[in-house]
Amino acid sequence: GAVVSQHPSRVICKSGTSVKIECRSLDFQATTMFWYRQFPKQSLMLMATSNEGSKATYEQGVEKDKFLINHASLTLSTLTVASAHPEDSSFYICSARDQTGGYGYTFGSGTRLTVV
Amino acid sequence: GEDVEQSLFLSVREGDSSVINCTYTDSSSTYLYWYKQEPGAGLQLLTYIFSNMDMKQDQRLTVLLNKKDKHLSLRIADTQTGDSAIYFCAETPGGYNKLIFGAGTRLAVHP
Repeated sequence: GAVVSQHPSRVICKSGTSVKIECRSLDFQATTMFWYRQFPKQSLMLMATSNEGSKATYEQGVEKDKFLINHASLTLSTLTVASAHPEDSSFYICSARDQTGGYGYTFGSGTRLTVV
Repeated sequence: GEDVEQSLFLSVREGDSSVINCTYTDSSSTYLYWYKQEPGAGLQLLTYIFSNMDMKQDQRLTVLLNKKDKHLSLRIADTQTGDSAIYFCAETPGGYNKLIFGAGTRLAVHP
């Protein structure tokens, strides 16, 4: 089945630094990937839709300059948290839809970001 | 609007059936999904149902869809301790693109 690989799984960084999270579709091409944020014991909040070769579409209330998304190829999307602060600490999850088969969205294993 | 609601907690005895309920708001949702999340992990697709179906069964899982009431349910037969997790239902508002999730139902299975 479709596999989405997300790295790193856990990262701790200092306040003010930037962190990049990668999301790769391993055995299929994904023209669209999605980035979610999940707070402890809460649901997933869609942050943005990442489109290959074009600008990401951000959900209302999500800062474009804080959460930079790049979808340079059909198998890779990256989320960069710029100048991270403690309030950015969260669980970030990406997903992709394999358009060639099935109707499910495949999720990465998530990245736990802690900003100290 | 886009809103998905679920009860937050369900406790069942091992071997019993579990029923997790969900209501959604967007009648144009083409597909509705159930995902499972174990602690510290990503989401695992359990099953999905196309909007023109009333029921879908897959081994121990049965999904019922009432389009008129915008109500979706997931029944897990013979619930096991390994089924303990958070279950999210999700809709695809406007058709077939982004997923909007409910708050998740935490299923606890006890002996």
